[in-house]
Amino acid sequence: EDQVTQSPEALRLQEGESSSLNCSYTVSGLRGLFWYRQDPGKGPEFLFTLYSAGEEKEKERLKATLTKKESFLHITAPNPEDSATYLCAVQAPVAGNMLTFGGGTRLMVKP
Amino acid sequence: NAGVTQTPKFRVLKTGQSMTLLCAQDMNHEYMYWYRQDPGMGLRLIHYSVGEGTTAKGEVPDGYNVSRLKKQNFLLGLESAAPSQTSVYFCASCAPGGAYEQYFGPGTRLTVT
Repeated sequence: EDQVTQSPEALRLQEGESSSLNCSYTVSGLRGLFWYRQDPGKGPEFLFTLYSAGEEKEKERLKATLTKKESFLHITAPNPEDSATYLCAVQAPVAGNMLTFGGGTRLMVKP
Repeated sequence: NAGVTQTPKFRVLKTGQSMTLLCAQDMNHEYMYWYRQDPGMGLRLIHYSVGEGTTAKGEVPDGYNVSRLKKQNFLLGLESAAPSQTSVYFCASCAPGGAYEQYFGPGTRLTVT
């Protein structure tokens, strides 16, 4: 059974204080690992897809990395606009492109 | 493009009532999904569809039915609502084949009293 665990559950940062969010996973053959951002009262918004260990992707202040067991979402010099819940999901090579999600990390950035 | 839209946005039901949630997408995606999101539980897959006229069960299908009569629409039905079905429901769609990202709708907040 595929499993995704995200830590910490909640993270409070001061504006400009860099940190990392962790996503640990077990999956029967990884087709892709996905990061999403979710604002309160809205649907998840796609950020990145990582396909293989060693891969990295960047978008503005966010950088996602992948190993064989976990993924990190690094946030550099965050500002209050980065406050959101960040979701991690894995996809195994099965019909239907189904995703298994972690519980998310709620990030709060204070000015 | 509107992307993925869901109606209604909010709904309150009494135990035993029925309702249908509508999801529509304008991206010509083959695959569509219904999830529920509960505090501390993350997103859990209810049902999904890999094409018009097809449906399949996900992780938590009990108490729900779905239909995909048109490629762009995916309906989620609750025949006899229960308080345990109080949740936020999200629809998503995706292109078929490889590791393509799913695009999510804005959600429907359902309360069953």
